[in-house]
Amino acid sequence: QVQLQESGPGLVKPSETLSLTCAVSGYSIISNYYWGWVRQPPGKGLEWIATIHHSGSADYNPSLKSRVKISVETSRNQFSLKVNSVTAADTAVYYCARDIQVSATFDYWGQGTLVTVSS
Amino acid sequence: QSALTQPPSASGSPGQSVTISCTGTSSDVGGYEYVSWYQQHPGKAPKLMIYDVTKRPSGVPDRFSGSKSGNTASLTVSGLQTEDEADYYCSSYAGTNNRGVFGGGTKLTVL
Repeated sequence: QVQLQESGPGLVKPSETLSLTCAVSGYSIISNYYWGWVRQPPGKGLEWIATIHHSGSADYNPSLKSRVKISVETSRNQFSLKVNSVTAADTAVYYCARDIQVSATFDYWGQGTLVTVSS
Repeated sequence: QSALTQPPSASGSPGQSVTISCTGTSSDVGGYEYVSWYQQHPGKAPKLMIYDVTKRPSGVPDRFSGSKSGNTASLTVSGLQTEDEADYYCSSYAGTNNRGVFGGGTKLTVL
């Protein structure tokens, strides 16, 4: 059974960098597919952030591209997200998920982790 | 403002059918056969219900079906059950520079 688990600080100060890691179990990230991040501000809708292939090829939401970096660590079967220069608008539940094709189609999701941006 | 437009709410009685729309443009919904639908219960992660406009992942009841006409995609839930009460989000591929755009979500209430 494919499982994903997000980890990282729950509180980040404005202007600093948000860093999250997603550990994948039950499936090797080099086997197939892509791996991505989606976020959801409290009480609001979903927003695709970025997706990466185990080769390192990555795609980003154009509205976030200048502040976001996604990376993969195949030896640890995990991938990570960094968002720099955060503001209160980046406060959200961040989900990692498996992306089954080119179109950001996510079939397995982590439980999500709330990241609050506040001083 | 979300890239795709969904009605904020929809409702139906148990056993009835309800259809939720998702309107985009020729650059996303209308341009590709890559529309997905997700179900999200409060406090839970989204669950993939439909992908590639009409396909159901293993384990999703056939009461859930998807379709598309022009720039508008639709999710139909037939034989409504109380457990279908949730938020539903559509998403679409929008080109090589934008893999995924989401709708604002529709809260489905089973009366």
